[in-house]
Amino acid sequence: EVLMTQSPLFLPVTLGQPASISCTSSQSLVDSDGKTWLSWFHQRPGQSPRRLIYQLFYRDSGVPDRFSGSGSGTDFTLHISRVEAEDVGIYFCMQGLFWPKTFGQGTKLEIK
Amino acid sequence: QVRLVESGGGVVQPGTSLRLSCAASGFTFSQYGMHWVRQAPGKGLEAVAILSYDGNTKSYIDSVKGRFTISRDNSKNTLYLQMNSLRPDDTAVYYCAKGYYDSGSWGQGTLVTVSS
Repeated sequence: EVLMTQSPLFLPVTLGQPASISCTSSQSLVDSDGKTWLSWFHQRPGQSPRRLIYQLFYRDSGVPDRFSGSGSGTDFTLHISRVEAEDVGIYFCMQGLFWPKTFGQGTKLEIK
Repeated sequence: QVRLVESGGGVVQPGTSLRLSCAASGFTFSQYGMHWVRQAPGKGLEAVAILSYDGNTKSYIDSVKGRFTISRDNSKNTLYLQMNSLRPDDTAVYYCAKGYYDSGSWGQGTLVTVSS
């Protein structure tokens, strides 16, 4: 099973400031076609997860451009350029290349 | 747009069975792999079972092998999860999600509580 390790697990941020979350996988998530099967999700309390980023850096439809994904191989980062109040919640990374799909532990973002 | 609606959850006793359904709309269901992800109360996410677009390839996590069966009816645009011999540690919100390597869209989830 591929282990996904996120940091930090708790992220207090001032409104308007940038934030970043790291995720490391125990194996490379690059397939034979060069695609990287790493996604980022956001979950608010009582809601289902919503995907923000797929295949490392593609933003889902409707996701603000203040969210971006970067990284390669086994090290990945979710960037938020300017945190807004609606960004609070838990962020998860997920690898989809290997079964079982595995998720990071989650990073709880709150506003200072 | 893509819509996934889970149903079938409830409160059951250990050792009993439950069948979850996921009704899909807004995309060509028969062209996509699908999977189930669960989230125990206050815990993280765990992918449980996955099924190819044609139903021919399926996989499970070890803890549910032999107890859970994933299936689909492409004529009804519906994904299923048959859960037998339920245990208290199966208690979770169960989400269906679209995709095989991706998890593009998720339903709202259905709560399964296994308790005596």
